[in-house]
Amino acid sequence: DAKTTQPNSMESNEEEPVHLPCNHSTISGTDYIHWYRQLPSQGPEYVIHGLTSNVNNRMASLAIAEDRKSSTLILHRATLRDAAVYYCILRDVHRDDKIIFGKGTRLHILP
Amino acid sequence: EAQVTQNPRYLITVTGKKLTVTCSQNMNHEYMSWYRQDPGLGLRQIYYSMNVEVTDKGDVPEGYKVSRKEKRNFPLILESPSPNQTSLYFCASSLGTTNTGELFFGEGSRLTVL
Repeated sequence: DAKTTQPNSMESNEEEPVHLPCNHSTISGTDYIHWYRQLPSQGPEYVIHGLTSNVNNRMASLAIAEDRKSSTLILHRATLRDAAVYYCILRDVHRDDKIIFGKGTRLHILP
Repeated sequence: EAQVTQNPRYLITVTGKKLTVTCSQNMNHEYMSWYRQDPGLGLRQIYYSMNVEVTDKGDVPEGYKVSRKEKRNFPLILESPSPNQTSLYFCASSLGTTNTGELFFGEGSRLTVL
């Protein structure tokens, strides 16, 4: 199973952009890159996903490297409510099997 | 409202007393999965199911059983709980194979085994 690597924790100031990196060097051609976040005392929630092109939605942007071996979740203007654990996972479009979350990145937002 | 519902949300039990954590989704999702979350270990997959009567082991299946008799329900069974199964458990669901849809998670079930 292709796995992802993320930093354990990151800090950012409120109202500034945040770039959360993820490495997935063994990604296959049919793997989609998904991002989830887990707010304190809640279950994880979907943020965004993409295959090759950069993606934007109301929550965040996803920038995918040309070789697809890494990606970056971008929060354009962090707020205190964005403090959470962020998970980058891979999901194969042709297979529904193990979905490995790992430990994610704990994002701290400084007021 | 689309949701994944887990019960109970909190449970304290004793070693060896069989228990079941229920999970139900109202989105007609084919894929369902159970995770446990422990400090420093992140989310680890216990079992998953790609459809009715189809289940498979995740990374940490020991000590757990599951069943998928109906599409909407995916109960997690601890036949003889032990203290090392004290954890926070999450159920998740999504549309099935060949779909890149998002995973929907329940609110979690915190289990303590004494």
